[in-house]
Amino acid sequence: GAGVSQTPSNKVTEKGKYVELRCDPISGHTALYWYRQSLGQGPEFLIYFQGTGAADDSGLPNDRFFAVRPEGSVSTLKIQRTERGDSAVYLCASSFTSASMAEQFFGPGTRLTVL
Amino acid sequence: AQSVAQPEDQVNVAEGNPLTVKCTYSVSGNPYLFWYVQYPNRGLQFLLKYITGDNLVKGSYGFEAEFNKSQTSFHLKKPSALVSDSALYFCAVRPTGGGNKLTFGTGTQLKVEL
Repeated sequence: GAGVSQTPSNKVTEKGKYVELRCDPISGHTALYWYRQSLGQGPEFLIYFQGTGAADDSGLPNDRFFAVRPEGSVSTLKIQRTERGDSAVYLCASSFTSASMAEQFFGPGTRLTVL
Repeated sequence: AQSVAQPEDQVNVAEGNPLTVKCTYSVSGNPYLFWYVQYPNRGLQFLLKYITGDNLVKGSYGFEAEFNKSQTSFHLKKPSALVSDSALYFCAVRPTGGGNKLTFGTGTQLKVEL
C-alpha cells in the first residue's frame, strides 16, 4: 500500500519568505507527527495531531511555525519569515493509533534550504 | 525528560561477521524502545520495537535487539552482516506513562565491507 508522502521533496527559499510543507499520511492512520532533522542529528519532535487537533505542539521552536490538519488526514506545516537556521529535513510520520507503543511510519522528508 | 545515547558515530564490520549497534536510554518509568534505519535520500524505516515481555526482540531483515533494564540499554544486533545493511541507524524511546513523541539518538552509521 501507499506510504506517507511529502511534498515538495526539496524547497529552496530566501530568508524572510513563507513556506508550506505538505504531508499525506497512510490512509486510516489517525495520528500524525512532524519532526525536524538537522545534519548529523536524529529527528526532533515538532508537533503531533490526533485527528484534526494538535495534541502536543511542545516541539515547535517558536511562533513562526504552525501546522494544521483540517480534515484529519493531510497536514501542512507552515513556516513564516524563514531564517537560515530553519534549513533542515522536515519529516512527517503517521501511526494507526496514538498509543505510545504504536510504531510510526515516516515519509521521505522535505529538504528545506533557506538562503 | 527522556533521552537516548548512541555512543558510536560509526561502526565498521566485515560482511558475514556479527554486528552490534549500541543504544542507552533515560526515561521516567518504563520505556517503549524502537530502532529505525535510514538509507540515503529515503525516509526512516521501522525495524523493531520493545514493548514488554521477552527481552530479545526480533525484527525485519534479520535484526534483533536486546532490552536490558538494569543497564538501560537496547543494543541492535545481527548475527551475520550484509553489505546491504550499510545505513544510518537510529534508536528511539517513548515513555509508557504517556506522551507520544519519539526521542531519537543522534544515529550510528553502519558500514559493512566485503
